[in-house]
Amino acid sequence: GAGVSQSPSNKVTEKGKDVELRCDPISGHTALYWYRQSLGQGLEFLIYFQGNSAPDKSGLPSDRFSAERTGGSVSTLTIQRTQQEDSAVYLCASSWGDSHRRTDTQYFGPGTRLTVL
Amino acid sequence: AQKITQTQPGMFVQEKEAVTLDCTYDTSDPSYGLFWYKQPSSGEMIFLIYQGSYDQQNATEGRYSLNFQKARKSANLVISASQLGDSAMYFCAMRVTGGGNKLTFGTGTQLKVEL
Repeated sequence: GAGVSQSPSNKVTEKGKDVELRCDPISGHTALYWYRQSLGQGLEFLIYFQGNSAPDKSGLPSDRFSAERTGGSVSTLTIQRTQQEDSAVYLCASSWGDSHRRTDTQYFGPGTRLTVL
Repeated sequence: AQKITQTQPGMFVQEKEAVTLDCTYDTSDPSYGLFWYKQPSSGEMIFLIYQGSYDQQNATEGRYSLNFQKARKSANLVISASQLGDSAMYFCAMRVTGGGNKLTFGTGTQLKVEL
């Protein structure tokens, strides 16, 4: 079946502009995650959505970062007033969620490479 | 707080040989899961293998096996019969039951398989 998809695959923007990154999870997966991968910081958790519960936003680095998940499916990560340190690959993952708790393996999308000039 | 340590930034192995990638972890939570992912140059993270903290046996998935030593807090990945296509970055990750569902990743090991 189809895996996690992300768009765009690459995004180049100017410092100070807002960007939106999109994630389509695997059909049926109730949990959705955003991570960031950068040279200096490695792989960092950003935010986690589980069904209709309040998201776990504990990894968001600043209030310029926000995310939504509409209809329990597609998610958008928004970065306002982008800075050069926001340059990274943003990875989305999905999993079945709490009802399949033992492994609840997260499956990742191909990522969006964000470059802030 | 949870921590994953991968001390080998780069490894080389000859084709058809076995290779062990090291991973140690730190957590005070008794219930946790350990994952290995492969990231080829294309960038996508590919799930390889999972080990639960209460699992009695070491996990195996085809050519991948996990050498789980709970007392030493290590979860090394063993790849048998290496292939050229195994050349990639390998990440060890942990999820603790009491810590939400997020994964904490190590810094990764770059594996190069040579002829």
